[in-house]
Amino acid sequence: AQSVSQHNHHVILSEAASLELGCNYSYGGTVNLFWYVQYPGQHLQLLLKYFSGDPLVKGIKGFEAEFIKSKFSFNLRKPSVQWSDTAEYFCAVNAKGAGSYQLTFGKGTKLSVIP
Amino acid sequence: DAEITQSPRHKITETGRQVTLACHQTWNHNNMFWYRQDLGHGLRLIHYSYGVQDTNKGEVSDGYSVSRSNTEDLPLTLESAASSQTSVYFCASSEQKGTARNTEAFFGQGTRLTVV
Repeated sequence: AQSVSQHNHHVILSEAASLELGCNYSYGGTVNLFWYVQYPGQHLQLLLKYFSGDPLVKGIKGFEAEFIKSKFSFNLRKPSVQWSDTAEYFCAVNAKGAGSYQLTFGKGTKLSVIP
Repeated sequence: DAEITQSPRHKITETGRQVTLACHQTWNHNNMFWYRQDLGHGLRLIHYSYGVQDTNKGEVSDGYSVSRSNTEDLPLTLESAASSQTSVYFCASSEQKGTARNTEAFFGQGTRLTVV
């Protein structure tokens, strides 16, 4: 079974700082990878996804992520955060070819951006 | 617009009672999922379904059941509510695309359940 590790439980940044949130997964086969965001009191929304092709994917609101297959990583980045990016961020993986459509989530990283 | 709705949004119940949380999607997706979200655990899969009459256990299925009688609905039942089941519950759906599994999940707004 696959698993997902998010290295940081809580990250605190000032506005305009750069962001990188780590995500590593364990699964030996081909994967689909996702980053979801959950703003306070709201449901999960998709930020970006990787299925195949260019390992650098761009999502909404200026976020991007890079898939590094050799490191089993899919780190989320943003060059300059805003106060409105305060939220919890979840990395998720779906194992292709394993006969399942379900997503396995990391435990989440809470981001607090200080104005 | 297509959507996925959960009801109720908030529920307080007593230990031992049976509780059913509703999930309804208008995406016409074959796949539906129930997750629970708890501090320090992220989202954990409770049950899932890949089509009508199909149900499967997830990581934390004990004490929960689901049924799938149509494409749109996947109600989650807590047979005898326990305090350990106090949580936020999210329903999600996704599309099947033949052998390609390039699908993302769409989430409902969540149900906050408190068992006292």
